[in-house]
Formats: sequence, C-alpha cells, structure tokens
Amino acid sequence: KQEVTQIPAALSVPEGENLVLNCSFTDSAIYNLQWFRQDPGKGLTSLLLIQSSQREQTSGRLNASLDKSSGRSTLYIAASQPGDSATYLCASGAGYQKVTFGTGTKLQVIP
Amino acid sequence: DGGITQSPKYLFRKEGQNVTLSCEQNLNHDAMYWYRQDPGQGLRLIYYSQIVNDFQKGDIAEGYSVSREKKESFPLTVTSAQKNPTAFYLCASSISRGGYTFGSGTRLTVV
Repeated sequence: KQEVTQIPAALSVPEGENLVLNCSFTDSAIYNLQWFRQDPGKGLTSLLLIQSSQREQTSGRLNASLDKSSGRSTLYIAASQPGDSATYLCASGAGYQKVTFGTGTKLQVIP
Repeated sequence: DGGITQSPKYLFRKEGQNVTLSCEQNLNHDAMYWYRQDPGQGLRLIYYSQIVNDFQKGDIAEGYSVSREKKESFPLTVTSAQKNPTAFYLCASSISRGGYTFGSGTRLTVV
C-alpha cells in the first residue's frame, strides 16, 4: 500500500526566503505526482502536476521535481510572500482511484 | 471556464435527517470522487465513479450513498446512518492518468 509522507508538518519562514517542501512515497510505480495548495476552509487548488516521464514542472515562482527512483518530490517556492501561507499537499497517482494524499505541510510566511 | 461546482457551501443537518450535497463538473472528466476531510486528518475517500451508472465504495462509505446518472453530476447523500457527519466534504474529478481537480467544498454541521 502506497504511503505518502510530508515533512515537516509545519514551517514558518520570513518573507522573501526561498524554501523547499518535501514529499516522499514508498511505491515508485506511479503515473504522476501532484502538488496542491489548500487555504483554510477552502478546496484544494492544483499547483503542479508532474507525469512519471517528467523530472520537473515550473509555474511562476514554483518548481516541482520528481525522482521516482528515490521516491521523492520537492516543491520549491522562490521569494516567498505572505500570500503563500497555506497548507501544501502532495498526492501520488497510480490510476483512477489509486491516489494517495500526504497529510500536508502548513506554511506560514511572516511579513 | 471549466471547473467543479459544489453546493451548498454550508449545510446544517438535524439528527435523523438525510441531506444531499451537489457536485457538478463541466470538464468532461470521466471519473468523479467524494472525499471527507476532518481537522488534523488527511483526505479520506468515500465513493468514486469512473463511468456513468457505476460507482464504487471507498474507505469510509458507511452511512453515505451516491448516484451517477449523468457524466457531469455526482451527488452525495449523507444518511441518518452516518453517526458523525460533521466534516468538510470535497468533490473531485479526473481523467485517466490525469491529475485531480477539486471543488470548493461543502461544510456540513449537525445541529
């Protein structure tokens, strides 16, 4: 059974800092790895989707990488802003209903 | 714009009452899902459907029911058999090997 772990559970950084969020998974037989952002009381917003054949994806200040062989994905946020404060979740996908979510990293960016 | 619409945003249920949460998508996605999110816990799968008129139980289906009469719609009924229904409910959709798109959620409270 796939297990997805996100460490740390919470992170607090000063504004402007570059930061990395980590996601590890136990089964490398995945189709894709997706990163989400969740604001309090809101749904999940997709940030980046990396297919298994890809190594990374970029969107603005965000860059996500995928290393299937080591079972790791990272989300890099450049020049963090207070508006980046949210919970970030990763999810490994291996088919329609075979998606496993991590429990998230709660990020606080301090002005 | 394509997306998933969940309604209502807030829902209150009396003891012994059945309530139905709506989920509609215009993304032409084949698969739809219902998740439950409790404070401090991860996402738990309630039901999923890959095609019209077919759906499967997830990890916590007891006390819930669904239907999939149209590709665009996947309503969730929380029955009186669900003893602890207070939670945040999220609907999602996907295509094969694709990432998930989530709705904005429905917060259900028992009064």
